[in-house]
Amino acid sequence: QPVLTQPPSSSASPGESARLTCTLPSDINVGTYNIYWYQQKPGSPPRYLLHYNSDSDKGQGSGVPSRFSGSKDASANTGILLISGLRSEDEADYYCMIWPGNAWVFGGGTKLTVL
Amino acid sequence: VQLVESGGGLVKPGGSLRLSCAASGFTFSSYSMNWLRQAPGKGLEWVSSISSGSSYIYYADSVKGRFTISRDNAKNSLYLHMNSLRAEDTAVYYCARQLPDHSFDYWGQGTLVTVSS
Repeated sequence: QPVLTQPPSSSASPGESARLTCTLPSDINVGTYNIYWYQQKPGSPPRYLLHYNSDSDKGQGSGVPSRFSGSKDASANTGILLISGLRSEDEADYYCMIWPGNAWVFGGGTKLTVL
Repeated sequence: VQLVESGGGLVKPGGSLRLSCAASGFTFSSYSMNWLRQAPGKGLEWVSSISSGSSYIYYADSVKGRFTISRDNAKNSLYLHMNSLRAEDTAVYYCARQLPDHSFDYWGQGTLVTVSS
């Protein structure tokens, strides 16, 4: 199974933007895949945020504010979750996920701290 | 929409357990369903998927040959039969609904499986 690499931690201040990354292994092309993003707070199940393949192929979870958005950096083979206008309640673990063909694969997660 | 898992508990290595997920508030038979798990203090791991009519079933390599996913659309229920359990199977197990865009939009609260002697 491919391994999706996420930084273990990230931090930003309220009102700022947080850019969380999900890097695919070099043998699979980020341009080929929908990248799904989930948020998880302590003691709760994950919450679906959004998925992003391209600007014409993307989706937002029900009730997820538009300050959560997805993109890709093809040069870095990376999927990106951008959270703008950070709030204290955005402090959580964030996971990326892809379907490379026969199994769903998650990244290790990034713990976002809102300072 | 509500998903409620049950059946977790303490089991010895090599033992078996059956998890259930009771679904309500939507047309269960129209959706693919999934089992996922999270070991204590660790990240998410997908376990298994089953299509709406049970025609397509997938397993993670880590559970293939030991776990069996099934569903009963008449009872609005999803199951995970787990055999030959190992310590590394210890986790909170979640069931999740899968939308046509393949996102997992609703999750249950999870049930804890502990494999220990």
